[in-house]
Amino acid sequence: QKEVEQNSGPLSVPEGAIASLNCTYSDRVSQSFFWYRQYSGKSPELIMSIYSNGDKEDGRFTAQLNKASQYVSLLIRDSQPSDSATYLCAGKNRDDKIIFGKGTRLHILP
Amino acid sequence: DTGVSQNPRHKITKRGQNVTFRCDPISEHNRLYWYRQTLGQGPEFLTYFQNEAQLEKSRLLSDRFSAERPKGSFSTLEIQRTEQGDSAMYLCASSSIAEAFFGQGTRLTVV
Repeated sequence: QKEVEQNSGPLSVPEGAIASLNCTYSDRVSQSFFWYRQYSGKSPELIMSIYSNGDKEDGRFTAQLNKASQYVSLLIRDSQPSDSATYLCAGKNRDDKIIFGKGTRLHILP
Repeated sequence: DTGVSQNPRHKITKRGQNVTFRCDPISEHNRLYWYRQTLGQGPEFLTYFQNEAQLEKSRLLSDRFSAERPKGSFSTLEIQRTEQGDSAMYLCASSSIAEAFFGQGTRLTVV
């Protein structure tokens, strides 16, 4: 199993709907988890971090962590065309090494 | 600007030449990471530092790649005898306790 896995997409969501992005991780990645947004040709931008089981909300974004099932998700409410990007899931191991998934491409359809 | 700074932003080099990239992290961030990213892929881990100590170097990296972080401040990544397969975006990130923040990246093109 890869350390951090994501479906590469593309995921197409109508404008105004909820976009749901998922990520699973292995036992080697068990500490903190992050979601980054990356526009084409740009560097990743941190949008959410989550460290404990449950939900964490920040504006239109909600991150969810389930350590028992080893998955992390990101929900984007009221999706906007500007949300179209690649979303990278990342996790830290016990040595603070940050490992990324391949990213999920999200298309918001006007 | 107190963010992570990378230079140069773009580099075009001939195959076989050596290149060096620089990363200036956010002040007082003790961890610094280097990643390589190609089209359609996530950032691939290269190496990371805690202060001036290099903690790990990816086994995927050949001996042509070397990184330093003298005095625990800025870092350099050198690629010797570049190959066309080295063409990629090279990303640097820094962190303190938790989140890591990226610089703008250096896009390398080997011709």
